[in-house]
Amino acid sequence: GAGVSQTPSNKVTEKGKYVELRCDPISGHTALYWYRQSLGQGPEFLIYFQGTGAADDSGLPNDRFFAVRPEGSVSTLKIQRTERGDSAVYLCASRYTAGRTDTQYFGPGTRLTVL
Amino acid sequence: DAKTTQPPSMDCAEGRAANLPCNHSTISGNEYVYWYRQIHSQGPQYIIHGLKNNETNEMASLIITEDRKSSTLILPHATLRDTAVYYCIAINAGGTSYGKLTFGQGTILTVHP
Repeated sequence: GAGVSQTPSNKVTEKGKYVELRCDPISGHTALYWYRQSLGQGPEFLIYFQGTGAADDSGLPNDRFFAVRPEGSVSTLKIQRTERGDSAVYLCASRYTAGRTDTQYFGPGTRLTVL
Repeated sequence: DAKTTQPPSMDCAEGRAANLPCNHSTISGNEYVYWYRQIHSQGPQYIIHGLKNNETNEMASLIITEDRKSSTLILPHATLRDTAVYYCIAINAGGTSYGKLTFGQGTILTVHP
């Protein structure tokens, strides 16, 4: 079946601009996570959704970052007034839990470059 | 969630077993050990997880020491496609961490012909 998809795959923007990154999780997965991965580092947690609500946004670096999931499926990560330090790969994952199974399925990521 | 420590890099010959160690000496009784890997330019991929018993699936085996302070991921017959960064993560899946994954630096496994 279809996995997690993210669009766009690449986004180049200028400092100060606004960007939106989209995540389509696996159908039926109620839990959704956003992570950010800088070059040479492991992914870092940003925010977690259970259904429509953000249950944990402790990883968002500052108030320029915001994410929504209005219908409990697709999620959008929004970054205002982008800075060069925001350049990274933004990863989305949806989670499946059943019995002993507890797995996060990751999308391919969106590579954001802020010039 | 407990901190994990892994060697930064390892090499393995194609067709041989790759044994990737992970130290998690501060792991608590309700924390699972998870392994994910990330092939270049892709998102991380789940491999296997366990609590205290050894586990095996179609991808790998996970050996957890009796005191649970360390574990080893075993890829029994490594192929070139197994070249990736391997992450060992200790997580309390049902706690207030909400299942979020805390990735360290991982081990870069290079499988060579």
